[in-house]
Amino acid sequence: EAQVTQNPRYLITVTGKKLTVTCSQNMNHEYMSWYRQDPGLGLRQIYYSMNVEVTDKGDVPEGYKVSRKEKRNFPLILESPSPNQTSLYFCASRPRSGLSEQFFGPGTRLTVL
Amino acid sequence: DQQVKQNSPSLSVQEGRISILNCDYTNSMFDYFLWYKKYPAEGPTFLISISSIKDKNEDGRFTVFLNKSAKHLSLHIVPSQPGDSAVYFCAAVTQTGANNLFFGTGTRLTVIP
Repeated sequence: EAQVTQNPRYLITVTGKKLTVTCSQNMNHEYMSWYRQDPGLGLRQIYYSMNVEVTDKGDVPEGYKVSRKEKRNFPLILESPSPNQTSLYFCASRPRSGLSEQFFGPGTRLTVL
Repeated sequence: DQQVKQNSPSLSVQEGRISILNCDYTNSMFDYFLWYKKYPAEGPTFLISISSIKDKNEDGRFTVFLNKSAKHLSLHIVPSQPGDSAVYFCAAVTQTGANNLFFGTGTRLTVIP
């Protein structure tokens, strides 16, 4: 089954404790992206990657890192999480061509205390 | 600055009636538009799209209308069904650059049986 998977689905952590949210897709997509969803703000892009070893900032990259060492994986790293990073996070992927739908993972609900 | 806006946070409609969800954008470079549907505890899923060279695209009960001069698009659902109850996001993309999606803030549709 074609899908985007994220782990963990739920995470409660404390300020300053480094964490990684994994994202993996099995559709051989070149493009991958991370979004956060917050009430009243919709989905905002954090980082994206056009292909292996190619990453770039989205609209809200502060406090986040990503890496793209393999085509299928695109982990999101929070080196020192803060309470304002409490949010619902989605990973997505699509083929290189931009005029096509993106496929989203199920989401990761992160709470930073 | 929010380039894609959905000014109605919520909408309630009786089953069998028409649901109309609206979306406005400010960037005249957008030339492809998509609607996503999101159920609780799931990632957004693609619903329907429209290219800027068209003013209407239909898929079953779902029709998207685009008014480029007004920078406005709308999603019509006829007839509405209780299973359509979800949050709907519109998104826009340009054909240049990385083809990143810009999302609206979402409209929560409730279809009352």
